[in-house]
Amino acid sequence: GAGVSQSPSNKVTEKGKDVELRCDPISGHTALYWYRQSLGQGLEFLIYFQGNSAPDKSGLPSDRFSAERTGGSVSTLTIQRTQQEDSAVYLCASSLQATGKDTQYFGPGTRLTVL
Amino acid sequence: AQTVTQSQPEMSVQEAETVTLSCTYDTSESDYYLFWYKQPPSRQMILVIRQEAYKQQNATENRFSVNFQKAAKSFSLKISDSQLGDAAMYFCAYRSGLSNFGNEKLTFGTGTRLTIIP
Repeated sequence: GAGVSQSPSNKVTEKGKDVELRCDPISGHTALYWYRQSLGQGLEFLIYFQGNSAPDKSGLPSDRFSAERTGGSVSTLTIQRTQQEDSAVYLCASSLQATGKDTQYFGPGTRLTVL
Repeated sequence: AQTVTQSQPEMSVQEAETVTLSCTYDTSESDYYLFWYKQPPSRQMILVIRQEAYKQQNATENRFSVNFQKAAKSFSLKISDSQLGDAAMYFCAYRSGLSNFGNEKLTFGTGTRLTIIP
């Protein structure tokens, strides 16, 4: 497809379970970003990839959160032992390069609900 | 650290009228980029318009234009001839022009919910 895709669209899980969220960036985009959108915190940066490397993990809220990117393409955000405060919309974006002039294009997000 | 402030949580406008959404930001950098993104109920963030700080000319995209006041650190969005499809959350965002550690992310404001009145 032409845009950033994310799956699943919605995920409901029980507290304590692990979840995986997937992001497919725009073809040819080398930079990939994860953001979280929640009512209390607004839009916050989580992690960024350049190729398969994650130079900036500063936004990950705890060690329960991890992410990887393989083949310079698909990325997976994993949340272990989910907590209710993890409930949010997780947005993925990609850009051609990781420079300021390269616009970040967003996917439709995954809404995570932790019961 | 940079901050972005949107002081209007909600705005409404009559269809076909003009509305302006406000955004201010704080930075010590001279090279940066500013964006307006639209988020309809579908959740997808859609780029509306972008402005490079080094450009004095205000960006325009069809019915959308910005008023970029660099000295005042203000970046407002004007929507002309408002249409029902413009109803959405609008987010102002800042991105550093530096390409080193910690500068790759977008910093967002809290958003303005725009309602179009038929």
